[in-house]
Amino acid sequence: DAKTTQPTSMDCAEGRAANLPCNHSTISGNEYVYWYRQIHSQGPQYIIHGLKNNETNEMASLIITEDRKSSTLILPHATLRDTAVYYCIGGDNQGGKLIFGQGTELSVKP
Amino acid sequence: EPEVTQTPSHQVTQMGQEVILRCVPISNHLYFYWYRQILGQKVEFLVSFYNNEISEKSEIFDDQFSVERPDGSNFTLKIRSTKLEDSAMYFCASRPVWETQYFGPGTRLLVL
Repeated sequence: DAKTTQPTSMDCAEGRAANLPCNHSTISGNEYVYWYRQIHSQGPQYIIHGLKNNETNEMASLIITEDRKSSTLILPHATLRDTAVYYCIGGDNQGGKLIFGQGTELSVKP
Repeated sequence: EPEVTQTPSHQVTQMGQEVILRCVPISNHLYFYWYRQILGQKVEFLVSFYNNEISEKSEIFDDQFSVERPDGSNFTLKIRSTKLEDSAMYFCASRPVWETQYFGPGTRLLVL
C-alpha cells in the first residue's frame, strides 16, 4: 500500500477553490488514489478516486500528475460545510483495506 | 441513495462485558469491513470479510473480536470481553466489486 503525505492543515476562503495536495511517490502501477473526508467524528465520506486520468464528479476534481507521484483534490467553490479532514489514500480496487493517515484538516472561513 | 447503517449509535458498557455492534451494508455489496477510531487518532482497519469469511485482519483484531454475517443483510462485530482501550468509534464499510468503500455513521463505544 502506498504511503501518502499531506499537509497537516489548510485554510480556504468560502467561495474560493480549495486545492489539497497529496504526495504518493511510492504508489504502484495498479493502485488507485482515493480521497475521503471526515466531518467531526462522522463516518469517512467518499469523494473521488482515480488511477491515471484526471477525474471530476459532482463533489470535486482530482488531478493526478503524469508520473502519478502526486495528486491534487480540488473543491471548486468551498463552503463552510466543506470544513473537514481530507484523506488521500493509495489502494487497490479489489477489496483491499484502506489505510488512513492523519489527513489534511481543511478550514473554510467566511 | 442507499447507505450503510449502524446500530446502536452509542453504546456504554462495563469492562469485561460482551458487546455486539451491528451494521447493515448496502444491499448489493459483497465486501464488508470494520474500522475503528480512538478519539483524536487515525481511522484504523480491523477486518475485512468476503464470501462469508475473513479475508484480512489487523493486529488489533485479536481473539476478543469476531465478525459474523448471520443473515443476508446484517454484518456484526462482537467484542467478547471489553477493555477500557476498546473505547472508540467503530465504523462499518461495504463495497461492491470494482468500486470503493462506503462507510456507515459509526457506533461510539464507551467502556467504563
